[in-house]
Amino acid sequence: GAVVSQHPSWVICKSGTSVKIECRSLDFQATTMFWYRQFPKQSLMLMATSNEGSKATYEQGVEKDKFLINHASLTLSTLTVTSAHPEDSSFYICSAGQTGRNGYTFGSGTRLTVV
Amino acid sequence: RKEVEQDPGPFNVPEGATVAFNCTYSNSASQSFFWYRQDCRKEPKLLMSVYSSGNEDGRFTAQLNRASQYISLLIRDSKLSDSATYLCVVKGNKLVFGAGTILRVKS
Repeated sequence: GAVVSQHPSWVICKSGTSVKIECRSLDFQATTMFWYRQFPKQSLMLMATSNEGSKATYEQGVEKDKFLINHASLTLSTLTVTSAHPEDSSFYICSAGQTGRNGYTFGSGTRLTVV
Repeated sequence: RKEVEQDPGPFNVPEGATVAFNCTYSNSASQSFFWYRQDCRKEPKLLMSVYSSGNEDGRFTAQLNRASQYISLLIRDSKLSDSATYLCVVKGNKLVFGAGTILRVKS
């Protein structure tokens, strides 16, 4: 089945630094990737949709200059949390889909802690 | 109103019990429907797709009522390993997740 690899699985960083999270589709070409954030005891909230070769589409309330998304190839999307603050501490998960697929495969998630 | 609403639970049931989860969605243009399972601190994993005709996968049965915009999941003969959060997911132009229903199966 489709596999999505996400790295790192966890990261602790100092306030004010930037963190990059990678999401790779290992055995298929992902034309679209989704980035979610999940706070404790809450559901996944879509942050942005990235399409290969074009700008990401951000959900309302998500700062595009703070959460930089790059989807430069059909197998790799990256999310960079710039100038991270403690309130950015969360579980970030990517998801990839292909044209014609109904379901989506999720990466294993990245637990970000900003201290 | 949330796009996808679920009873948060928790549902505490003994092993062997039958448990049912409900979900409602607000966007009548939604195209596809799913149940995902999420274990603590893990990513969601697809449990099953949901169709109007109903579908069954072992102990799990899912049902969709488009007229009522209602989705259900029935788990028979609950196992300890079924303990997790069950997410109702609706797809239009993007996936929208419910907040999840917590299931705890106890021996």
